[in-house]
Amino acid sequence: DQQVKQNSPSLSVQEGRISILNCDYTNSMFDYFLWYKKYPAEGPTFLISISSIKDKNEDGRFTVFLNKSAKHLSLHIVPSQPGDSAVYFCAASVPGSQGNLIFGKGTKLSVKP
Amino acid sequence: EPEVTQTPSHQVTQMGQEVILRCVPISNHLYFYWYRQILGQKVEFLVSFYNNEISEKSEIFDDQFSVERPDGSNFTLKIRSTKLEDSAMYFCASSLDWAETQYFGPGTRLLVL
Repeated sequence: DQQVKQNSPSLSVQEGRISILNCDYTNSMFDYFLWYKKYPAEGPTFLISISSIKDKNEDGRFTVFLNKSAKHLSLHIVPSQPGDSAVYFCAASVPGSQGNLIFGKGTKLSVKP
Repeated sequence: EPEVTQTPSHQVTQMGQEVILRCVPISNHLYFYWYRQILGQKVEFLVSFYNNEISEKSEIFDDQFSVERPDGSNFTLKIRSTKLEDSAMYFCASSLDWAETQYFGPGTRLLVL
Protein backbone atom coordinates (compact mmCIF):
# COMPACT_ATOMS: atom_id res chain seq x y z
CA ASP A 1 0.00 0.00 0.00
CA GLN A 2 2.06 2.89 -1.31
CA GLN A 3 0.12 6.02 -0.53
CA VAL A 4 3.18 8.17 -1.18
CA LYS A 5 5.37 7.18 -4.09
CA GLN A 6 8.75 8.35 -5.21
CA ASN A 7 9.27 6.44 -8.41
CA SER A 8 12.86 7.48 -9.06
CA PRO A 9 15.23 5.76 -6.64
CA SER A 10 18.11 7.93 -7.81
CA LEU A 11 18.91 11.12 -9.67
CA SER A 12 22.24 12.51 -10.83
CA VAL A 13 22.65 16.20 -11.62
CA GLN A 14 25.55 18.46 -12.49
CA GLU A 15 26.49 21.16 -10.00
CA GLY A 16 24.74 24.44 -10.79
CA ARG A 17 21.88 22.80 -12.66
CA ILE A 18 18.35 22.25 -11.44
CA SER A 19 17.40 19.12 -9.50
CA ILE A 20 13.76 18.06 -9.73
CA LEU A 21 12.54 15.40 -7.35
CA ASN A 22 9.07 14.02 -7.85
CA CYS A 23 6.46 12.55 -5.56
CA ASP A 24 2.99 11.16 -6.23
CA TYR A 25 0.27 10.36 -3.74
CA THR A 26 -2.94 8.42 -3.91
CA ASN A 27 -5.01 9.81 -1.05
CA SER A 28 -6.76 13.03 -2.10
CA MET A 29 -7.45 13.78 1.57
CA PHE A 30 -3.78 14.48 2.31
CA ASP A 31 -3.56 18.16 3.22
CA TYR A 32 0.03 18.79 4.19
CA PHE A 33 3.24 17.65 2.57
CA LEU A 34 6.85 17.81 3.65
CA TRP A 35 10.25 17.16 2.16
CA TYR A 36 13.06 15.80 4.29
CA LYS A 37 16.70 15.33 3.42
CA LYS A 38 18.73 12.51 4.90
CA TYR A 39 22.48 12.00 4.98
CA PRO A 40 23.91 8.55 5.82
CA ALA A 41 23.94 7.80 9.55
CA GLU A 42 21.75 10.83 10.31
CA GLY A 43 18.05 11.33 10.85
CA PRO A 44 15.76 13.02 8.32
CA THR A 45 16.21 16.80 8.29
CA PHE A 46 13.20 18.96 7.49
CA LEU A 47 13.59 21.00 4.31
CA ILE A 48 10.33 22.54 3.23
CA SER A 49 6.60 21.95 3.45
CA ILE A 50 3.43 22.90 1.64
CA SER A 51 -0.19 22.99 2.61
CA SER A 52 -2.84 21.82 0.18
CA ILE A 53 -4.29 25.33 0.01
CA LYS A 54 -1.15 26.45 -1.82
CA ASP A 55 0.42 25.35 -5.06
CA LYS A 56 3.92 26.65 -4.43
CA ASN A 57 6.23 27.33 -1.53
CA GLU A 58 9.71 28.72 -1.83
CA ASP A 59 12.61 28.86 0.58
CA GLY A 60 15.92 29.97 -0.84
CA ARG A 61 17.14 27.45 -3.37
CA PHE A 62 14.27 25.08 -2.59
CA THR A 63 10.80 25.31 -4.11
CA VAL A 64 8.01 22.82 -3.71
CA PHE A 65 5.17 22.68 -6.23
CA LEU A 66 1.87 20.97 -5.57
CA ASN A 67 -0.54 19.85 -8.29
CA LYS A 68 -3.61 18.63 -6.43
CA SER A 69 -5.52 17.50 -9.50
CA ALA A 70 -2.63 15.27 -10.50
CA LYS A 71 -1.84 14.32 -6.90
CA HIS A 72 1.74 15.23 -7.58
CA LEU A 73 4.36 17.33 -5.91
CA SER A 74 7.89 18.17 -6.81
CA LEU A 75 10.91 19.66 -5.14
CA HIS A 76 13.13 21.92 -7.20
CA ILE A 77 16.65 22.74 -6.08
CA VAL A 78 18.29 25.58 -7.97
CA PRO A 79 21.22 25.77 -8.27
CA SER A 80 22.21 22.31 -7.11
CA GLN A 81 25.34 22.01 -4.98
CA PRO A 82 27.47 18.96 -4.13
CA GLY A 83 26.36 19.33 -0.49
CA ASP A 84 22.81 18.65 -1.62
CA SER A 85 23.77 15.04 -2.32
CA ALA A 86 21.54 13.03 0.00
CA VAL A 87 18.37 10.95 0.06
CA TYR A 88 15.22 13.08 -0.23
CA PHE A 89 11.98 11.88 1.28
CA CYS A 90 8.55 13.14 0.47
CA ALA A 91 6.03 12.79 3.31
CA ALA A 92 2.33 13.45 3.71
CA SER A 93 0.42 14.16 6.87
CA VAL A 94 -2.53 11.84 7.39
CA PRO A 95 -5.61 14.04 7.78
CA GLY A 96 -7.15 13.83 11.21
CA SER A 97 -4.18 11.94 12.59
CA GLN A 98 -2.05 12.87 15.55
CA GLY A 99 1.17 13.41 13.65
CA ASN A 100 1.24 10.28 11.51
CA LEU A 101 3.48 11.01 8.52
CA ILE A 102 3.44 8.71 5.50
CA PHE A 103 6.83 8.63 3.79
CA GLY A 104 7.87 7.77 0.27
CA LYS A 105 10.80 5.44 -0.30
CA GLY A 106 13.15 8.30 -1.06
CA THR A 107 15.23 9.48 -4.00
CA LYS A 108 19.00 9.51 -3.78
CA LEU A 109 20.31 12.72 -5.30
CA SER A 110 23.91 12.93 -6.44
CA VAL A 111 25.19 16.35 -7.43
CA LYS A 112 28.42 16.07 -9.36
CA PRO A 113 30.99 18.89 -9.29
CA GLU B 1 20.12 25.12 17.21
CA PRO B 2 18.07 22.75 19.39
CA GLU B 3 18.03 19.16 18.22
CA VAL B 4 16.60 15.79 19.07
CA THR B 5 19.18 13.38 20.47
CA GLN B 6 19.01 9.60 20.67
CA THR B 7 20.98 6.96 22.55
CA PRO B 8 22.49 4.55 21.90
CA SER B 9 23.49 5.09 18.29
CA HIS B 10 23.81 1.32 17.82
CA GLN B 11 22.36 -1.58 19.78
CA VAL B 12 22.92 -5.27 19.20
CA THR B 13 20.73 -7.70 21.10
CA GLN B 14 19.71 -11.32 21.12
CA MET B 15 16.25 -12.36 19.99
CA GLY B 16 13.85 -12.39 22.91
CA GLN B 17 15.71 -9.75 24.89
CA GLU B 18 14.23 -6.44 25.95
CA VAL B 19 15.66 -3.20 24.59
CA ILE B 20 15.04 0.39 25.57
CA LEU B 21 15.79 3.13 23.09
CA ARG B 22 16.15 6.61 24.47
CA CYS B 23 15.40 10.02 23.05
CA VAL B 24 15.67 13.57 24.32
CA PRO B 25 13.20 15.70 22.34
CA ILE B 26 13.62 19.42 21.72
CA SER B 27 12.96 21.03 25.07
CA ASN B 28 9.85 23.11 24.33
CA HIS B 29 8.20 20.48 22.14
CA LEU B 30 5.09 18.77 23.42
CA TYR B 31 4.49 16.02 20.86
CA PHE B 32 6.77 13.05 20.47
CA TYR B 33 6.99 10.28 17.91
CA TRP B 34 8.76 7.08 17.06
CA TYR B 35 9.36 5.89 13.51
CA ARG B 36 11.37 3.02 12.16
CA GLN B 37 13.08 2.26 8.87
CA ILE B 38 13.90 -1.31 7.98
CA LEU B 39 16.89 -1.48 5.66
CA GLY B 40 15.86 -0.64 2.11
CA GLN B 41 12.30 0.24 3.08
CA LYS B 42 10.31 3.32 3.93
CA VAL B 43 10.33 5.28 7.14
CA GLU B 44 7.22 4.02 8.98
CA PHE B 45 5.23 5.68 11.73
CA LEU B 46 5.03 3.74 14.99
CA VAL B 47 3.46 5.97 17.60
CA SER B 48 2.72 9.52 18.67
CA PHE B 49 2.65 10.66 22.30
CA TYR B 50 1.28 13.72 24.02
CA ASN B 51 0.51 14.64 27.60
CA ASN B 52 1.85 11.32 28.86
CA GLU B 53 -0.47 9.33 26.67
CA ILE B 54 -0.31 7.59 23.34
CA SER B 55 -2.19 9.73 20.82
CA GLU B 56 -2.01 7.36 17.91
CA LYS B 57 -0.26 4.12 17.03
CA SER B 58 0.19 2.10 13.88
CA GLU B 59 -0.43 -1.58 13.27
CA ILE B 60 3.29 -2.18 13.79
CA PHE B 61 3.08 -0.92 17.37
CA ASP B 62 1.80 -4.11 18.94
CA ASP B 63 1.87 -5.28 22.55
CA GLN B 64 5.61 -5.83 22.40
CA PHE B 65 6.15 -2.08 22.14
CA SER B 66 5.64 0.56 24.77
CA VAL B 67 6.59 4.20 25.18
CA GLU B 68 7.18 6.27 28.24
CA ARG B 69 8.27 9.69 29.34
CA PRO B 70 9.84 8.74 32.66
CA ASP B 71 11.03 12.25 33.49
CA GLY B 72 10.84 15.74 32.06
CA SER B 73 13.35 15.15 29.31
CA ASN B 74 13.57 11.54 28.16
CA PHE B 75 11.17 9.73 25.85
CA THR B 76 11.73 6.00 25.56
CA LEU B 77 10.68 3.16 23.31
CA LYS B 78 10.74 -0.30 24.84
CA ILE B 79 10.57 -3.52 22.88
CA ARG B 80 9.76 -6.27 25.35
CA SER B 81 10.88 -9.36 23.50
CA THR B 82 12.77 -8.53 20.35
CA LYS B 83 12.31 -10.43 17.13
CA LEU B 84 14.65 -10.67 14.15
CA GLU B 85 12.29 -8.47 12.14
CA ASP B 86 12.63 -5.66 14.68
CA SER B 87 16.08 -4.96 13.25
CA ALA B 88 15.84 -1.43 11.87
CA MET B 89 16.78 2.19 12.37
CA TYR B 90 14.52 3.75 14.97
CA PHE B 91 13.97 7.48 14.76
CA CYS B 92 12.53 9.68 17.45
CA ALA B 93 10.91 12.98 16.46
CA SER B 94 9.26 15.87 18.24
CA SER B 95 7.12 18.85 17.36
CA LEU B 96 5.54 21.86 19.02
CA ASP B 97 2.08 20.74 18.03
CA TRP B 98 0.84 17.68 16.17
CA ALA B 99 0.23 19.83 13.07
CA GLU B 100 3.69 21.39 13.22
CA THR B 101 6.89 20.19 11.56
CA GLN B 102 8.45 17.13 13.12
CA TYR B 103 12.16 17.25 13.85
CA PHE B 104 14.00 13.94 13.83
CA GLY B 105 16.86 12.58 15.85
CA PRO B 106 19.85 10.78 14.32
CA GLY B 107 18.38 7.35 14.98
CA THR B 108 19.34 4.17 16.78
CA ARG B 109 20.38 1.24 14.66
CA LEU B 110 18.99 -1.91 16.29
CA LEU B 111 20.27 -5.30 15.25
CA VAL B 112 18.53 -8.38 16.61
CA LEU B 113 20.50 -11.61 16.30
